Order: sequence, then C-alpha cells, then structure tokens
Amino acid sequence: GAVVSQHPSRVICKSGTSVKIECRSLDFQATTMFWYRQFPKQSLMLMATSNEGSKATYEQGVEKDKFLINHASLTLSTLTVTSAHPEDSSFYICSARSQGDGELFFGEGSRLTVL
Amino acid sequence: QKEVEQNSGPLSVPEGAIASLNCTYSDRVSQSFFWYRQYSGKSPELIMSIYSNGDKEDGRFTAQLNKASQYVSLLIRDSQPSDSATYLCAVNVGSGGGADGLTFGKGTHLIIQP
Repeated sequence: GAVVSQHPSRVICKSGTSVKIECRSLDFQATTMFWYRQFPKQSLMLMATSNEGSKATYEQGVEKDKFLINHASLTLSTLTVTSAHPEDSSFYICSARSQGDGELFFGEGSRLTVL
Repeated sequence: QKEVEQNSGPLSVPEGAIASLNCTYSDRVSQSFFWYRQYSGKSPELIMSIYSNGDKEDGRFTAQLNKASQYVSLLIRDSQPSDSATYLCAVNVGSGGGADGLTFGKGTHLIIQP
C-alpha cells in the first residue's frame, strides 16, 4: 500500500516556541493531505485539509494562525504549531490518499509535548 | 453535523471466538466506510473498506454495511491476542476518490483474552 512518512515522531518543546511537523507521501503524489489531532482516549479530529499550491481549509474551531499549514509540493505538507502551549500537547497525524483510491493512508504520527 | 458513533468498550472476547464491532453514522449521504485498527501510541492502519450494502470478506475480517439502517460492522473470526487494539470506524460523504477528510468514531477498545 501507499506509504506516508511523518517526522518527527516525538517532540518536546517549551511553551511559546514553534514546532514544525512534516508529512511526506513516499511513493505517490498527493494533491490533498489531511491533518488530524488525537487527544488521549479520544477519536481523531480533522483539523484541516492541506491543498497543494493553495491555502489550507480549516475545520471549525481550529485557529489557522496558530496551526500553519504549507503544502508546497505534491509530496510534502507541513504543519507548524506556533507559540505552542501545554494544551496543544497531542498526537498529530497526517494522512493522504493515493490517486484513484478511496483509502486514506496515515503517517506514523507525531507526539507533541509542550512543557 | 456528521457523527459516527461507536461503543467505546472495552469489548472482551475469548481467543478463537468471533469479535463483533458496531458503528452507526448520522449522515445519510455517506458513501464510503472504513475500519481502522489503532494500537496504543500508534497511528491507525486500514483494515477494511466497504462501499456498497452487504458483506465484504478479507481473511478473518468481514465488514457489513446497511445503508438503510446507517449501520456498519466489523466481524473478526478466530480472534487472536494480536487483534487487541482500538478499532476506529470512519465515514466519508464522498465516493472515496474525493478530497474530503474522514469522520471518525471514538473507537472500540477490543481485548482478546488468551
């Protein structure tokens, strides 16, 4: 199946700093990628849809100025958590579809801990 | 608002028995349905996808879809301890090839007892 790689897998940062998470589709081109967030014992919540070459579409309640998404190429999307706070600590997961296939493939996830 | 409901469990099943996981969804126009397995601390991995009413079998797994009842289920035959995980039901309004993110249920925690 298609492979989606995410980096870093774990990151610890101080409150007020910014953190960038990368999501790459390794063997297919993804015009659209999705960013999810998952708190402990909760479901995955869609944060935003990342569109190659255009602005991301954010879900209701997600601050676009805090969670910056850049989809500069067909194989790379980045999520930057700006001015991170402890409440931003979560498991962030990206996903993408390979063309012509309805299945969504997930990256390995990035666990963010903000001290 | 799209909603996907699952019993959070835990659902405890003896090894070798059939595990039955259920999911209901609120958006009647939903067309694509998926079951993902998620181990603790890991990202979800796709187990089954189903798009039309009826049963779809893949090895020990069978997905069942009933659009009239807005209900989708996953059966795991000959359950193994390695099947112990959280199973997420996911729904997409689109036909599967679109650019919509999936809506996930909260997941059912399945425990297979040796």
